[in-house]
Formats: sequence, structure tokens, C-alpha cells
Amino acid sequence: KQEVTQIPAALSVPEGENLVLNCSFTDSAIYNLQWFRQDPGKGLTSLLLIQSSQREQTSGRLNASLDKSSGRSTLYIAASQPGDSATYLCAVSNSGYALNFGKGTSLLVTP
Amino acid sequence: DADVTQTPRNRITKTGKRIMLECSQTKGHDRMYWYRQDPGLGLRLIYYSFDVKDINKGEISDGYSVSRQAQAKFSLSLESAIPNQTALYFCATSSTGSPETQYFGPGTRLLVL
Repeated sequence: KQEVTQIPAALSVPEGENLVLNCSFTDSAIYNLQWFRQDPGKGLTSLLLIQSSQREQTSGRLNASLDKSSGRSTLYIAASQPGDSATYLCAVSNSGYALNFGKGTSLLVTP
Repeated sequence: DADVTQTPRNRITKTGKRIMLECSQTKGHDRMYWYRQDPGLGLRLIYYSFDVKDINKGEISDGYSVSRQAQAKFSLSLESAIPNQTALYFCATSSTGSPETQYFGPGTRLLVL
């Protein structure tokens, strides 16, 4: 069974800092990996999706990397802003549809 | 209007009651999913449906049933609610052409007393 772990569980940083969120998974035979953002009362929003054949994906200030052989992914957020405060979830798919989620990292960016 | 809607958004019920959570989508997707999220745990898949006649159990289907009334509607039922079913429930959709991109509803917060 695929196990997904996210470290740290919570993180507080001052505005403007660059930061890294970590995700590890136990079964490297993945189809893809996604990073989601969860805001209270608003469900989940997909941020980046990395296919198993890719090494990284970028969207604006976000960059996600994937190292399948070591079972790791990182989400890099550049120049953090208070609006980035949310819970970030890593999800791994071994099938192409069913997602295995980590417990998330709760991020607080203070002004 | 939101692409994936869930009703109700909040619900309090008592042990033993039957309850239905509803999900509707306007994205035209054929695939729909139900997840639950518990504090300190990741989301876990309850049921998923690839089309109206294709329904599959997920990781934690015991105590739940589903109905796919139409391509756009997927309902989750708790036949006899119990307190450990207290959780945040999410519906999600995706298309066959891009199955890995799932779109989530806002969630239903359920409390079973």
C-alpha cells in the first residue's frame, strides 16, 4: 500500500521568504504526483501535477520536483506571501486515477 | 457558479440515522469520487465511479453506499451513521481524457452524535 508522508506538519515563515515543503512516498512505481492547496471551506485546488516521466513542473512562484527513485518530491514556494497561507497536500497516484494523500503541511505566512 | 457542488455543506445527525450527501457537477466529467478527511489524516477514497454503470469500492467503503443517478450526480449514503463517520467529505470529478486532474467540491462537514 502506498504511504505518503509530508514534512513538516506545520510551518510558519515571515513574508518574503522562500520555502520548501517535502513529500515522500514508499512505492516508487507511481503514475503521477500532485500538489494541492486546501483552504478552509473551499475544497482542494490542484497546483501542480508531475507525470512519472517528468522531473519538475513550474507555475508562477511554485516549483515542484520529483525524484521517483528516492521516493521524494519537493514543493518550492518563492517569495512567500500571506495569501499563500493554507494547507498543502501531496497526492500520489499508482493507477492514474485513485489518489493517495499525505496528511498535509499547514503553512502560515506572516506579514 | 461552482463546477462541483456539494449539499449539505454542514450536517449534524444522530447515531443510527440514515443520511445522504449529494454531489453535482457541471464540468461534463464522466468520473466521480468520494473522499473523507479526518483531522490529522490524509484524504481517503471511499467510492469512485467511471460512468453511470461503473461503481467501485475505494479504500474505506464499509458503512457507505453510493448512487450514480446521472453523469452529473453522485450521492453518498450512510445507512446507519456512527460517530466515527464524523469527518469532512469531499466529492471530486475528472475526465477520462485527463483522469489524473481531479476537481474537488467545497466539502461537507458531518458530525454524528
